[in-house]
Amino acid sequence: QVQLVQSGAEVKKPGASVKVSCKASGYIFSNYYIHWVRQAPGQGLEWMGIINPSAGSTSYAQKFHGKFTMTRDTSTRTVYMELSSLTSEDTAVYYCGAHDPPFDYWGQGTLVTVSS
Amino acid sequence: SYELTQPPSVSVSPGQTARITCSGDALPKNHAYWYQQKSGQAPVLVIYEDSKRPSGIPERFSGSSSGTMATLTVSGAQVEDEADYYCYSTDSSGNHRGVFGGGTKLTVL
Repeated sequence: QVQLVQSGAEVKKPGASVKVSCKASGYIFSNYYIHWVRQAPGQGLEWMGIINPSAGSTSYAQKFHGKFTMTRDTSTRTVYMELSSLTSEDTAVYYCGAHDPPFDYWGQGTLVTVSS
Repeated sequence: SYELTQPPSVSVSPGQTARITCSGDALPKNHAYWYQQKSGQAPVLVIYEDSKRPSGIPERFSGSSSGTMATLTVSGAQVEDEADYYCYSTDSSGNHRGVFGGGTKLTVL
């Protein structure tokens, strides 16, 4: 069955970087774009960016330009997101999602906590 | 930057019809999608391409779009439909840039 499995929770200090992985299985990896979305505590969903797993091309929300990077490894069917210069405002659950409706599957979410 | 606007909350009694709106300037050109999110869970797609329903989603969920507004309708809302609902669409850049609305808390009681 289709699964997106994300790496585990992270605790980081302000100014640090974090890298979260999203491993896909159960479908043709190159066929569906992967989105990254985050949700701060008690807040709504925030779209961050999208990567084409086949070509590796990316598109970012303007807010995250220069702070957020997506990459992929086709050999392991894994997509990565890296967020740099972390502040307390980056504390959130980060989700990856394969979105090409009706094909629409999400990872379980990764909590990133930024605290000194 | 592009924005989608939703009401913060909608409240209905069980069996009534709930309507949640989403407004955005690019909606005449780009499809709207609707997600349901229950506390602590990943979002679930309930409507795609304005009005299509994925398999497994109850028929009481429907969607429509006209001009700059998309609407999610829950006909005969049930207690288990209580959740946050988000509209999603893309901007007009052609670069697959997405955006979510601020979310609407649907209360059924």
